Amino acid sequence: DSGVTQTPKHLITATGQRVTLRCSPRSGDLSVYWYQQSLDQGLQFLIQYYNGEERAKGNILERFSAQQFPDLHSELNLSSLELGDSALYFCASSDTGAILPPLHFGNGTRLTVT
Amino acid sequence: DAKTTQPNSMESNEEEPVHLPCNHSTISGTDYIHWYRQLPSQGPEYVIHGLTSNVNNRMASLAIAEDRKSSTLILHRATLRDAAVYYCILRDDTQGGSEKLVFGKGTKLTVNP
Repeated sequence: DSGVTQTPKHLITATGQRVTLRCSPRSGDLSVYWYQQSLDQGLQFLIQYYNGEERAKGNILERFSAQQFPDLHSELNLSSLELGDSALYFCASSDTGAILPPLHFGNGTRLTVT
Repeated sequence: DAKTTQPNSMESNEEEPVHLPCNHSTISGTDYIHWYRQLPSQGPEYVIHGLTSNVNNRMASLAIAEDRKSSTLILHRATLRDAAVYYCILRDDTQGGSEKLVFGKGTKLTVNP
């Protein structure tokens, strides 16, 4: 058990809809990362937050947004969903007090857009 | 981000050692070599990392070539639970604040009973 909790585990929705994925990091970890894993693209970095502030941005679409709250949990909002957004979405957290700390991943949310 | 090259797949037998290679010929002096693995239906899991010297932990050993252009992850006795995709990743400790991981395709390890 990595200590990172993601909810829900599965989500099925229709094209054009909006969903919110939630992540609770390991206790004490200030950084949260979001990744998307699809069959053809592999694991793609989306965005990182550190203590409530955006720290790094990757291949995140404009239809997607994220935030990290004062209690350090994070949410990834996906809107105007398309079939191609179907993927596994992983959240990870790390203790940025260390140099290049390991990332601890949750078990993901599987999003299916129909 | 510096690039790594790994075989797409490898096979091993249970209870035998496994050597997973990774080439990183363009590695810079500040790049650390990290290994993660992803078991089926799970998120990636940290395995080990190193800079120049060989490293051992409870999960595996990491052997780093003297010129640092290649490394090998060693699983001393493979079990069925070690079947996973193994990712070799270079991380720069001077990347200006983000500690993100950049994943490649990895090596899919199959362990035969």
